[in-house]
Amino acid sequence: ELKVEQNPLFLSMQEGKNYTIYCNYSTTSDRLYWYRQDPGKSLESLFVLLSNGAVKQEGRLMASLDTKARLSTLHITAAVHDLSATYFCAVVDSNYQLIWGAGTKLIIKP
Amino acid sequence: NAGVTQTPKFRVLKTGQSMTLLCAQDMNHEYMYWYRQDPGMGLRLIHYSVGEGTTAKGEVPDGYNVSRLKKQNFLLGLESAAPSQTSVYFCASSSGPPSYNEQFFGPGTRLTVL
Repeated sequence: ELKVEQNPLFLSMQEGKNYTIYCNYSTTSDRLYWYRQDPGKSLESLFVLLSNGAVKQEGRLMASLDTKARLSTLHITAAVHDLSATYFCAVVDSNYQLIWGAGTKLIIKP
Repeated sequence: NAGVTQTPKFRVLKTGQSMTLLCAQDMNHEYMYWYRQDPGMGLRLIHYSVGEGTTAKGEVPDGYNVSRLKKQNFLLGLESAAPSQTSVYFCASSSGPPSYNEQFFGPGTRLTVL
């Protein structure tokens, strides 16, 4: 059974700083998604990573996938307040369904 | 395009009552999903459908039923609500399987069972 773990689950940081959110998963998969959820809102797709070594970047966010280590990272560069949200990773399992991490609640203070 | 819509947005039920949540999408997607989101947890898949007239169980199907009579609609039913079903329910759709296709989410339904 595929399990997905994110850490940290909560992160408070200052504007302008860099930080990384980690997503580990327990069994082989080479498909991983990152989603963003604002408080009380729906989920919005950020990145889909489709192969080992995949790297995607948009603005201050960069996601990567290492399928051998079963690890994806979401790196935030020079954080700004607008990036405050909860970030989820989701991994495709052997039944071709998404298994979700618990989410990382990110608060960026001015 | 409205994308994925859900009705209602909020609902309060008493234990034992029944209700149906409606999900509609206007993107001509084949795949549709119902998830629940509980505090401190990721989304968990309740049921899904790979096309009109099909349904399948997800990770947490007990206590729920679904129907996909029309391609654009996916209904989630609770026959006898229990407090453990208090949650936020999200519907999603995709053009194909999750292996290659991102899922688009509705705004959610907040359900409280007393």
